[in-house]
Amino acid sequence: GAVVSQHPSRVICKSGTSVKIECRSLDFQATTMFWYRQFPKQSLMLMATSNEGSKATYEQGVEKDKFLINHASLTLSTLTVTSAHPEDSSFYICSARDRRATNEKLFFGSGTQLSVL
Amino acid sequence: QKEVEQDPGPLSVPEGAIVSLNCTYSNSAFQYFMWYRQYSRKGPELLMYTYSSGNKEDGRFTAQVDKSSKYISLFIRDSQPSDSATYLCAMSPPGGNKLTFGTGTQLKVEL
Repeated sequence: GAVVSQHPSRVICKSGTSVKIECRSLDFQATTMFWYRQFPKQSLMLMATSNEGSKATYEQGVEKDKFLINHASLTLSTLTVTSAHPEDSSFYICSARDRRATNEKLFFGSGTQLSVL
Repeated sequence: QKEVEQDPGPLSVPEGAIVSLNCTYSNSAFQYFMWYRQYSRKGPELLMYTYSSGNKEDGRFTAQVDKSSKYISLFIRDSQPSDSATYLCAMSPPGGNKLTFGTGTQLKVEL
């Protein structure tokens, strides 16, 4: 299957700082990438859809100024959690779909555990 | 009512047992159905992918889709301790960008 690399895997930061998470498709190009958030023992909640070369589409209730998404190339999307607070502590996961694929298969990164002190 | 319902478990079975995991859904537009396996603090890994109704087998895993009942299943034969993980069902309509996930079922296979 396709490989999606996500970095860092874990980050601890102080309240008020900003954290950037990178998501790369290693062996395919992705016009669209997705960012999810997952709380313990809960399912994945879609935060936003990242489109290469255009603005991200955010789900209802997700603050776009809080969670900045940049998708500057076909292989890289970044999520920046700005002015992080303890309630932003969560597991963040990105996913991507091969732009050449004719199916709906979605491949996930390994996730980033964010802890805000 | 959630679009996709999945029993969160936990489900505990002895090694070698046949495991049955399932999801129900309400959106008749869903055509693509997937099962993901997620180990603790890792990203989900695509296990099975099916389109529309029918069965699909891959090694010890079998996925079934019954669109008339809006019910999908994942069977794991000869379960192993390494199968202990959370299993998420996911589905989408044709051309849909977004996957709708179940809450996941936590499975523990004991020696």
